[in-house]
Amino acid sequence: DIQMTQSPSSLSASVGDRVTITCRASQGISNYLAWYQQKPGKVPKLLIYAASTLQSGVPSRFSGSGSGTDFTLTISSLQPEDVATYYCQKYNSVPLTFGPGTKVDIK
Amino acid sequence: EVQLLESGGGLVQPGGSLRLSCAASGFTFSTYAITWVRQAPGKGLEWVSAISGNGDNTYYADSVKGRFTISRDNSKNTVYLQMSSLGADDSAVYYCARTRVAAGRGYYDYWGQGTLVTVSS
Repeated sequence: DIQMTQSPSSLSASVGDRVTITCRASQGISNYLAWYQQKPGKVPKLLIYAASTLQSGVPSRFSGSGSGTDFTLTISSLQPEDVATYYCQKYNSVPLTFGPGTKVDIK
Repeated sequence: EVQLLESGGGLVQPGGSLRLSCAASGFTFSTYAITWVRQAPGKGLEWVSAISGNGDNTYYADSVKGRFTISRDNSKNTVYLQMSSLGADDSAVYYCARTRVAAGRGYYDYWGQGTLVTVSS
């Protein structure tokens, strides 16, 4: 099975900072990669699919890039409401594995 | 408005069974796959099972294969997850999610609020 890793596991940044989260697949998955945001105590929310397509209604400060095995989620200017855990997920084939998550908070 | 509502969670003894339901509204139910994802307390997301829109194709994580059965009733806009031989490792919030692309190759654009399953004696 393809394994998904994320780095860092957690980060603390200031409001307005540019934040980058990396997701790596153990084998190539083309662009079958989604990103989700889960705020504390809340339901996961789809941010990006097909590695770089922004889901409708998601703020444009979120962006995704990558293909094959290496992917990034970028928050161009961190806002207080972005405090959350971010998960990547591969969806090219079963099992549809999630990454372990990256917890983002405000410094 | 797309809505997904899970029910059926609760406290069950080890080795016991439970059936979860996911009732959907606000979209053409039979044209979408539905997936179950779980999250143990304080842990990450784990893909559990998925079913195609017409119910012909089902998929399971190795951790639940042979113990869980996913099904759907499109006349009731509901997906079910029958869980048996439950163990402590199955304790989690179970979410159902509308799945884009396909059951075995999809991402999740709408999620329910989740239902808590606790396996304990």
